[in-house]
Amino acid sequence: EAQVTQNPRYLITVTGKKLTVTCSQNMNHEYMSWYRQDPGLGLRQIYYSMNVEVTDKGDVPEGYKVSRKEKRNFPLILESPSPNQTSLYFCASSVDRGLEAFFGQGTRLTVV
Amino acid sequence: KQEVTQIPAALSVPEGENLVLNCSFTDSAIYNLQWFRQDPGKGLTSLLLIQSSQREQTSGRLNASLDKSSGRSTLYIAASQPGDSATYLCAVEETSGSRLTFGEGTQLTVNP
Repeated sequence: EAQVTQNPRYLITVTGKKLTVTCSQNMNHEYMSWYRQDPGLGLRQIYYSMNVEVTDKGDVPEGYKVSRKEKRNFPLILESPSPNQTSLYFCASSVDRGLEAFFGQGTRLTVV
Repeated sequence: KQEVTQIPAALSVPEGENLVLNCSFTDSAIYNLQWFRQDPGKGLTSLLLIQSSQREQTSGRLNASLDKSSGRSTLYIAASQPGDSATYLCAVEETSGSRLTFGEGTQLTVNP
């Protein structure tokens, strides 16, 4: 089944404790991205990647890192999480920009 | 900066009604427009994608139109069903960037 898989689905952590949210797609898509969704602000792009080893900042990249060492994986790294990073995170992929986007089921992160 | 607005924010209708959801965007230099469905606790599912050169797309009971010059799109749902209850999100991809800019969504409830 074609899908984008995020892990974990739910995470509660403490301020400053490094964490990684994984994202994997099985559709051989070139383009992958991360979004966060907050009430009143909608979905906003954090980072995106056009291909392996090619990443770029989105609208809200502060406090996040990403890597794209393999085509299928695009992990989101929070080196020192803070409470303002409490949010619902989505990973997405598409064959290329401008084409249908497939989203993962989301990761609800709470930083206390 | 592109802004996407969806009206209404919430809508409640009886089963069987035809309904229209509205989306407007401020910058007409778009690559495409997508309509998504988001169910609680789940990710986003792409419903329809309209390329900038197209005027409409249809899938089953759904029809989406695009008027790029006026910065508007509508999603028409025919013969609504309780299973259509969800939040519907509109997103545009600009020609100048590599991100989807989302509206805040319309929360639809279809009552049996």
